Amino acid sequence: DAGVTQSPTHLIKTRGQHVTLRCSPISGHKSVSWYQQVLGQGPQFIFQYYEKEERGRGNFPDRFSARQFPNYSSELNVNALLLGDSALYLCASNPGGIYNEQFFGPGTRLTVL
Amino acid sequence: KNQVEQSPQSLIILEGKNCTLQCNYTVSPFSNLRWYKQDTGRGPVSLTIMTFSENTKSNGRYTATLDADTKQSSLHITASQLSDSASYICVVSNSNSGYALNFGKGTSLLVTP
Repeated sequence: DAGVTQSPTHLIKTRGQHVTLRCSPISGHKSVSWYQQVLGQGPQFIFQYYEKEERGRGNFPDRFSARQFPNYSSELNVNALLLGDSALYLCASNPGGIYNEQFFGPGTRLTVL
Repeated sequence: KNQVEQSPQSLIILEGKNCTLQCNYTVSPFSNLRWYKQDTGRGPVSLTIMTFSENTKSNGRYTATLDADTKQSSLHITASQLSDSASYICVVSNSNSGYALNFGKGTSLLVTP
């Protein structure tokens, strides 16, 4: 079975630009979460979506937004990129409901110059 | 405030030796605690998960312990291998908001020949 997949693997942007990151969950998983991991730190929770509805949001500015599609894949959008947005962005999926075992994808490495 | 503190920050050991990583948390009310292994530039992979009633859980050469009274956990690695070189992250979830996982900053382990 395929695990969580993310695209692209790496991305380089300049300040002020916009970026879209994509995630496909494990087949049958209805919940997707996004995390930001700055070098040397643990992941920080950004969003969780379940059945296309936002179920939770971390302490991130409105420049960060996300959505989940009918096939349960998800996009994370970041506007007006800042140098501090450079990080590994992780997507995790789980079956949903109150069960919160997270299965992580390989991540997208975003570099903002 | 829900916090997860890990020690040591980094550790170097010789191949074949054992080591123990520590995790202290203040997350309340507690739901579960898990240890993840994260290779550089990759997504975290779950090693163990423990609920309140469990005080030890093994996965091959990895053994995790949990003391819910003192809010401490440890991850013991026996007969270390070069492939154990990675970051080990302690993650604690709050039973009030299962979607918001609380991550430690991780312990960076280097196993040398």
